[in-house]
Amino acid sequence: DTGVSQDPRHKITKRGQNVTFRCDPISEHNRLYWYRQTLGQGPEFLTYFQNEAQLEKSRLLSDRFSAERPKGSFSTLEIQRTEQGDSAMYLCASSPRLAGETQYFGPGTRLLVL
Amino acid sequence: SQQGEEDPQALSIQEGENATMNCSYKTSINNLQWYRQNSGRGLVHLILIRSNEREKHSGRLRVTLDTSKKSSSLLITASRAADTASYFCSLQGAQKLVFGQGTRLTINP
Repeated sequence: DTGVSQDPRHKITKRGQNVTFRCDPISEHNRLYWYRQTLGQGPEFLTYFQNEAQLEKSRLLSDRFSAERPKGSFSTLEIQRTEQGDSAMYLCASSPRLAGETQYFGPGTRLLVL
Repeated sequence: SQQGEEDPQALSIQEGENATMNCSYKTSINNLQWYRQNSGRGLVHLILIRSNEREKHSGRLRVTLDTSKKSSSLLITASRAADTASYFCSLQGAQKLVFGQGTRLTINP
């Protein structure tokens, strides 16, 4: 399978714990995106990488959130001191070099904070 | 706001009927994309239409774009139960996509 993969698919954690999600983009795509989606809403942009450089961060990405893409391949999204409001689907997408190209989404990681 | 707004928010039709969803926006765009999301899953790209295009087809899907009215429509012909999903239009904002709340389409057998 050469699509975008995300791990884990589901995560249940207690408030105050840290969680980390992983995204593996399509191999030849140099752009990688993180979105968050709450129930009944469309995805909201969180952050974007071109290769290993994090080029844009949304104001939604509080200090408790950090994303990395150390070698320009896979990416991780960490949430520290989780809160119940962090419960959502976290989606990763990748796209080829050219701006304005289609973004290909992974299956998402569903986070539930108790 | 760069966000597109889909209309209707929910649509329920019988299998075999056509389904039409609309997207309105307020800013100028380079392109507009339609995505589908089955319940609890990731998004699947359907069609990208550029600002200089008026209509595109893909199988049973037809997308139109009217930049003068700042609106787009997605038509699904001969609907099937498998078309039951949420459909989102998205605008290209610099590098990121900006999504509306979507249209929840239900196809009844």
